[in-house]
This record gives sequence, structure tokens and C-alpha cells, in this order.
Amino acid sequence: DTGVSQDPRHKITKRGQNVTFRCDPISEHNRLYWYRQTLGQGPEFLTYFQNEAQLEKSRLLSDRFSAERPKGSFSTLEIQRTEQGDSAMYLCASSFPRQGATEAFFGQGTRLTVV
Amino acid sequence: RKEVEQDPGPFNVPEGATVAFNCTYSNSASQSFFWYRQDCRKEPKLLMSVYSSGNEDGRFTAQLNRASQYISLLIRDSKLSDSATYLCVVMIMEYGNKLVFGAGTILRVKS
Repeated sequence: DTGVSQDPRHKITKRGQNVTFRCDPISEHNRLYWYRQTLGQGPEFLTYFQNEAQLEKSRLLSDRFSAERPKGSFSTLEIQRTEQGDSAMYLCASSFPRQGATEAFFGQGTRLTVV
Repeated sequence: RKEVEQDPGPFNVPEGATVAFNCTYSNSASQSFFWYRQDCRKEPKLLMSVYSSGNEDGRFTAQLNRASQYISLLIRDSKLSDSATYLCVVMIMEYGNKLVFGAGTILRVKS
């Protein structure tokens, strides 16, 4: 499968614990996005990389959230000291902008439940 | 005001009906436009890009009106399998080409 891959698919953690998610984008894609989605809402932008550079981080994202893309390939999203409000689906998407085509493709997401 | 706004629905239509969804965006720096489809508890999947001249893909037609900052999606001859949430997406150039999603419009097609 050459699509966007996310791991794990599901994560249950106790409040206060740290969690880390991984995203492997489509291999030639240089842009990578992280989104969060809760029930009944559209995906909410978290952060975005072009190659290894983090170009933007949402103002809604607290200091407990951090993301990296050290070699411009896979990315990790870490949430420290998780809270129940962090429970959501975390989606990763990648794209390779070219003339007339800038669409992004999503992984299946990591569903986080904080208990 | 949200950057991308959609009527949440739900739109309940019979099979074979034609249904239209609208979406408005607030940022004039929006550069590219898309419709994504999302099934329950699944990831969003690209349905179609939206071009300035309008474009059609089978039963689906997308239109863009830059002057009014308005995007539409028309689905003809609705199928049961069209039941899903339809997400309007804009790419905003001034934010380094960030993709911004609407909250989605729920479509339910019934026999």
C-alpha cells in the first residue's frame, strides 16, 4: 500500500500520560499536514510541514503538542500530559503541489481516547 | 466568522434526486478548492477539485464563484452509496498553502 500510513490506529491512554503518533506520507510528497477531528466537526488544522520545515502551527494548539519531521519523510505528533479534551481522531495528510494539482491525501487516522 | 462555512444538514433525499451543497469562504487569498467525502469514522477522501471554469465528474458537478467566494457541489441521480459527509476545503495561499476544512454537510440518501 503506497498511501499515507498512520500508527497506531487506536490509542487509549490515562489522563496525564504522554502519547506519540506516527505518520508516513506518500513517498514523493513533500508537504505533510496534521489535523484533529471531533465528532460532528470538520478536520481542524494543527500544523504543517514542507520537507523538514514546520511552516505553521495552529494558535489553538497548546504547548503540550509538538510535531517533528526530522528527515522530511515521516512525522511524529506528541501530546504531553494528555487531557480528556484531547480525545479525538488525529489525521495526517500529505501532498505534492504541482501545477493544477494541490490535493492532499489522508491516512486512516489515529483515534485517541483519554480516560 | 469561520473561514469556511457549510450548511451542516442533514439533507435527506430519495434515491434518484438531485441535491446541491453550498460553501462560502472568507479569505480572498484562497487559491485552490476541493470537495472531500467522509464516511462515518473514516478518513476524508478527495471527491473532486474545483476549477474556476467549473467541472464535472460523472454525476458530480462543482462550481466556483470567486467574486462571491462561493463553491457548490451538485449531485445528480443520488445513490444510496452517496450517503456521507461532504467537506468543502480551501487552500489559503497566505498561510503557506494551508488546507482549511468546513464542518461538512451530511447527506442521507434513502430508498
